[in-house]
Amino acid sequence: KAGVTQTPRYLIKTRGQQVTLSCSPISGHRSVSWYQQTPGQGLQFLFEYFSETQRNKGNFPGRFSGRQFSNSRSEMNVSTLELGDSALYLCASSSRGNEKLFFGSGTQLSVL
Amino acid sequence: AQSVTQLDSHVSVSEGTPVLLRCNYSSSYSPSLFWYVQHPNKGLQLLLKYTSAATLVKGINGFEAEFKKSETSFHLTKPSAHMSDAAEYFCVVSDLGGSSNTGKLIFGQGTTLQVKP
Repeated sequence: KAGVTQTPRYLIKTRGQQVTLSCSPISGHRSVSWYQQTPGQGLQFLFEYFSETQRNKGNFPGRFSGRQFSNSRSEMNVSTLELGDSALYLCASSSRGNEKLFFGSGTQLSVL
Repeated sequence: AQSVTQLDSHVSVSEGTPVLLRCNYSSSYSPSLFWYVQHPNKGLQLLLKYTSAATLVKGINGFEAEFKKSETSFHLTKPSAHMSDAAEYFCVVSDLGGSSNTGKLIFGQGTTLQVKP
């Protein structure tokens, strides 16, 4: 079985731009969660989607949004990028959520 | 609210010696607890998971963790460290928030394990 795939692996953007990150979960998994990892704040939960519905949301501003498609693939979007958005963004999938999560290798976003 | 505290930000051991990574948790519910490992430039990998079936949980690569409710601890151990164990380790609690299914995990700040030859 293929693992969780995140694209692109690296991104460089400038302040004010927007960015879209993609995540393809393990086949058959319906839950996709997103996490932000920074040296200062560690790993923080962004949101979770299950069967195309946002089921849970972390404490991030509205500039961070996401969606899930009928094939369970998910995208997250960050608008009006700020320097502090530079981070490793990790996607994880599971069959139902609250089970063991399988993480992708992440997208490293640098905002200049 | 659920939370985890990893008591050491950095642990250094010699190859072949035991590993102990400490974690305390706080939870209003019967917690689901996990240990994840992250190698450099890699995603997170689940080492083991506790869900109340047994207090001693065995994971991959020789790691195990013991759930102690009286001490609210979930420490990770390994009898003999290997060079390949050098990585960042995260103690994690699942935030049920009153619902039975949610993919929200709460991560500790991480412990960097250094293994010296």
